[in-house]
Amino acid sequence: QKEVEQDPGPLSVPEGAIVSLNCTYSNSAFQYFMWYRQYSRKGPELLMYTYSSGNKEDGRFTAQVDKSSKYISLFIRDSQPSDSATYLCAMSPGYSSASKIIFGSGTRLSIRP
Amino acid sequence: GAVVSQHPSWVICKSGTSVKIECRSLDFQATTMFWYRQFPKQSLMLMATSNEGSKATYEQGVEKDKFLINHASLTLSTLTVTSAHPEDSSFYICSAGTDPGETQYFGPGTRLLVL
Repeated sequence: QKEVEQDPGPLSVPEGAIVSLNCTYSNSAFQYFMWYRQYSRKGPELLMYTYSSGNKEDGRFTAQVDKSSKYISLFIRDSQPSDSATYLCAMSPGYSSASKIIFGSGTRLSIRP
Repeated sequence: GAVVSQHPSWVICKSGTSVKIECRSLDFQATTMFWYRQFPKQSLMLMATSNEGSKATYEQGVEKDKFLINHASLTLSTLTVTSAHPEDSSFYICSAGTDPGETQYFGPGTRLLVL
């Protein structure tokens, strides 16, 4: 079993829809949870970063962490064609700057105009 | 803030030659830098972790003599692919961690094609 599981998609939704992306994990030591967006042939871009359980909102993006269920989500409101990309969840125990980040396999998202 | 650059952005080389890729943190000091490899439509695969002034820690299955990593300063790490072969063709991405490390910031990646 992988430490982090993420549905690879692809996920296709119409413009303006609410998108829900999810990951599950098995390691209870994870404390830091991140979502990265990666456009084709580009490096990942940090979108959201949360510590422990709870919600965090940034514009159209909301990240949720439920440590009791080992489940994290990213919601995108009013989705735009420019949101079409691969979204990677990531997590780490965060003990130091050398902490390894474990990535999900990524979900390919396509927003249809 | 937290900008990481990579150079070159793409490189084509002949089989048997060596290629050096630079990773720089532009506006912060990176205690730790990471090197990843990514094949098309696949996730990131961690190759090695490098700390300034010490030897890199390689992941299982990654040949340290083939992928030489040098972390000469808090803002620069280099990856040298020695005696490159076509199977080394891939997208190489570096990231830099801040101290205390809570997340990593990625460079734009370097696309390597070995003919």
